[in-house]
Amino acid sequence: NAGVTQTPKFRVLKTGQSMTLLCAQDMNHEYMYWYRQDPGMGLRLIHYSVGEGTTAKGEVPDGYNVSRLKKQNFLLGLESAAPSQTSVYFCASRTTGGITGELFFGEGSRLTVL
Amino acid sequence: AQSVAQPEDQVNVAEGNPLTVKCTYSVSGNPYLFWYVQYPNRGLQFLLKYITGDNLVKGSYGFEAEFNKSQTSFHLKKPSALVSDSALYFCAVSTSSNTGKLIFGQGTTLQVKP
Repeated sequence: NAGVTQTPKFRVLKTGQSMTLLCAQDMNHEYMYWYRQDPGMGLRLIHYSVGEGTTAKGEVPDGYNVSRLKKQNFLLGLESAAPSQTSVYFCASRTTGGITGELFFGEGSRLTVL
Repeated sequence: AQSVAQPEDQVNVAEGNPLTVKCTYSVSGNPYLFWYVQYPNRGLQFLLKYITGDNLVKGSYGFEAEFNKSQTSFHLKKPSALVSDSALYFCAVSTSSNTGKLIFGQGTTLQVKP
């Protein structure tokens, strides 16, 4: 039972480079989320999706893009990385209970932008 | 806008003593409240949730939480702390009006000493 899988787990980028984080879930969940975790700031929602083909902005969407072409995958892209995007990124999916269901999280992707 | 506050960055308790991790929230509409735990270098794990009904909710690993509507609080409790409970704890809230967004507090580090 894989649950939520994030790749890569670690990445170092130079300012201005681009990259994509992949999140895959095998639980047939409708809702998927991307959060970033920074010390003292908890988890902040970047973008989320309530179903295949849909995306919506969260609290801190600037500098990120997302796509949900397949129900099981949710991609987070950085077009031009900045040092302020150094963070740990977590993907999560939500049970079929909808907005009352709990989230299942991946193990995180640690990104450093130099 | 909805928000969650965890007023304590860190809580220290001795093993065997009761513990409380505080959470207050601000939402319009009925709140759906969650607690998650994060161990070092891991993703978040669901502990418990309040959706409706009994104000005292029981969850995983002996934890429970009490929903108090008048004080807009949802404090996490455990009657007898274990050293293995040491971790980072997050409170989160969503509502029926926000299409699935889950907003997290900044987190509280629980340190249980032998």
